[in-house]
Amino acid sequence: RKEVEQDPGPFNVPEGATVAFNCTYSNSASQSFFWYRQDCRKEPKLLMSVYSSGNEDGRFTAQLNRASQYISLLIRDSKLSDSATYLCVVNTLEAAGNKLTFGGGTRVLVKP
Amino acid sequence: NAGVTQTPKFRVLKTGQSMTLLCAQDMNHEYMYWYRQDPGMGLRLIHYSVGEGTTAKGEVPDGYNVSRLKKQNFLLGLESAAPSQTSVYFCASTKVWQAADTQYFGPGTRLTVL
Repeated sequence: RKEVEQDPGPFNVPEGATVAFNCTYSNSASQSFFWYRQDCRKEPKLLMSVYSSGNEDGRFTAQLNRASQYISLLIRDSKLSDSATYLCVVNTLEAAGNKLTFGGGTRVLVKP
Repeated sequence: NAGVTQTPKFRVLKTGQSMTLLCAQDMNHEYMYWYRQDPGMGLRLIHYSVGEGTTAKGEVPDGYNVSRLKKQNFLLGLESAAPSQTSVYFCASTKVWQAADTQYFGPGTRLTVL
């Protein structure tokens, strides 16, 4: 089982609609969580951190469910510019220090 | 600030050839990383450096070597390229070890090994 798993998609989303997708992680000791955005043939960039109580950044909402070991990202009022791959990143504290594990990404295509 | 830069952007090699990928950062970061990204696999850590003159193996180090002779530069070498090393390579740097909220990536190098 992969340490961090994501549905690769693509999620085809009409412009203006809402889309949500999850990322599951296997290590219950994982401490912090992040969503990155990666445009086609570009480098990943931090979208938002995921806080225990859930957090919003404009049209984006991130949630953490520690009991079920997943995080989620919801995009409201989707824009064409939201088309990208969204990477889940999990930080786990190990004996050697922090370890980041990246998910394979969920591709989102917003269409007119 | 240029942030993190990588050269070259693209490269095609034949099996057995060697090459060096260069990563440079101008943010005075201590920590630098080399990742590879393959379809559906997520980014995987190849090697990393916690400071000038120090390097260590990551998750998938076989077939690669690295050097960090200067704080701002982190080089990734392939001594004898294999088709399995066809991938997109990203360099990254951070001020704090593995700080995902302040990790800066370079634009990537697309490498094809024939």
